[in-house]
Amino acid sequence: ETGVTQTPRHLVMGMTNKKSLKCEQHLGHNAMYWYKQSAKKPLELMFVYNFKEQTENNSVPSRFSPECPNSSHLFLHLHTLQPEDSALYLCASSQDLWYQETQYFGPGTRLLVL
Amino acid sequence: EDKVVQSPLSLVVHEGDTVTLNCSYEVTNFRSLLWYKQEKKAPTFLFMLTSSGIEKKSGRLSSILDKKELFSILNITATQTGDSAVYLCAVYSGGGADGLTFGKGTHLIIQP
Repeated sequence: ETGVTQTPRHLVMGMTNKKSLKCEQHLGHNAMYWYKQSAKKPLELMFVYNFKEQTENNSVPSRFSPECPNSSHLFLHLHTLQPEDSALYLCASSQDLWYQETQYFGPGTRLLVL
Repeated sequence: EDKVVQSPLSLVVHEGDTVTLNCSYEVTNFRSLLWYKQEKKAPTFLFMLTSSGIEKKSGRLSSILDKKELFSILNITATQTGDSAVYLCAVYSGGGADGLTFGKGTHLIIQP
């Protein structure tokens, strides 16, 4: 247990569904991150939040929508996903932004889009 | 476009052997290089390197960075079966989410 929890751990959804992934940390960390890990591709950082504010991000499709209501919770809202979005979605937090030495990852949500 | 290349992609050795994992990079604005160990799902942080030639050490693991030749190595001595994992290298070049680039990882298997 790293102190970062994610729910659900597994999710199967159709392309027309809307679902949300949840991440929670009670480590007192100020920065939170969403990563995507697809089979045979490098781990990819999707979104970064610092003190609930999203830092600049240019590359993620709008069908992924993050939300950070407070420093302890991070959501990833999913809608009209494609089969190629099937992947492991990892959440992480760190004491301060880019302070990787204090970064902890959650166990991930395994997502399958049919 | 920033690029991180790890080699080998997979490696099988016997317990007690020493292994060296490689990470080379091409980035526009280097800030730091990171090593992670990923067993099952959640990666765990190992090292962050920012300066050339300074070895970082944690038990049987050590790492060093060469900013002139643009690479880093991760050494594991006296390997144990618990070292079996995917080892990820990443380079941070600043900015937002686009500033962190990962390699594909090295899948290390330690046989008893």
